Amino acid sequence: DARVTQTPRHKVTEMGQEVTMRCQPILGHNTVFWYRQTMMQGLELLAYFRNRAPLDDSGMPKDRFSAEMPDATLATLKIQPSEPRDSAVYFCASGLSPNSPLHFGNGTRLTVT
Amino acid sequence: GIQVEQSPPDLILQEGANSTLRCNFSDSVNNLQWFHQNPWGQLINLFYIPSGTKQNGRLSATTVATERYSLLYISSSQTTDSGVYFCDSDNYGQNFVFGPGTRLSVLP
Repeated sequence: DARVTQTPRHKVTEMGQEVTMRCQPILGHNTVFWYRQTMMQGLELLAYFRNRAPLDDSGMPKDRFSAEMPDATLATLKIQPSEPRDSAVYFCASGLSPNSPLHFGNGTRLTVT
Repeated sequence: GIQVEQSPPDLILQEGANSTLRCNFSDSVNNLQWFHQNPWGQLINLFYIPSGTKQNGRLSATTVATERYSLLYISSSQTTDSGVYFCDSDNYGQNFVFGPGTRLSVLP
């Protein structure tokens, strides 16, 4: 069963440390999304890639966050330096095309102390 | 950007009851999806439904794009239907917005 794979599942780190989250989209999917979920803000779009090119990262704090797709099988989301307000669940999702169902990974639960 | 509203915010049902969840969007959208987030936090795609009606077992969905709403029907609810239901929309690859969700609790 094809699925989106995210690592790590959980991450606890201290304020100021760098955090890297990884996502392996479903093979053949050309659209990849990063979302952040918090109780207060719900699900927020951070970044959106199509064919590995970033199309929308307007929801991402540019000073500390960066998102890349080094190749078609790997998407990364980095936070440097991390802050307590970054604590959230970060989801990656992929789709076959922009007009197709979106499939989510199980998320990375980040806690910054 | 597009605003997405969902109603009701919370819903409690007895097992076996039927329910209708609604998603309203403030502007034209060309993509609309429904997701279920289970108590373990997993987000499962239920329907990709930019327009028309689809059915999958006890669940069905209808989107009326011209009137800017979508409905999710759950029939003969089961305790495993509990969780949060989200709708998600975009407009030709822009303005991706998730609704705030409807939290459903199905009691045995």
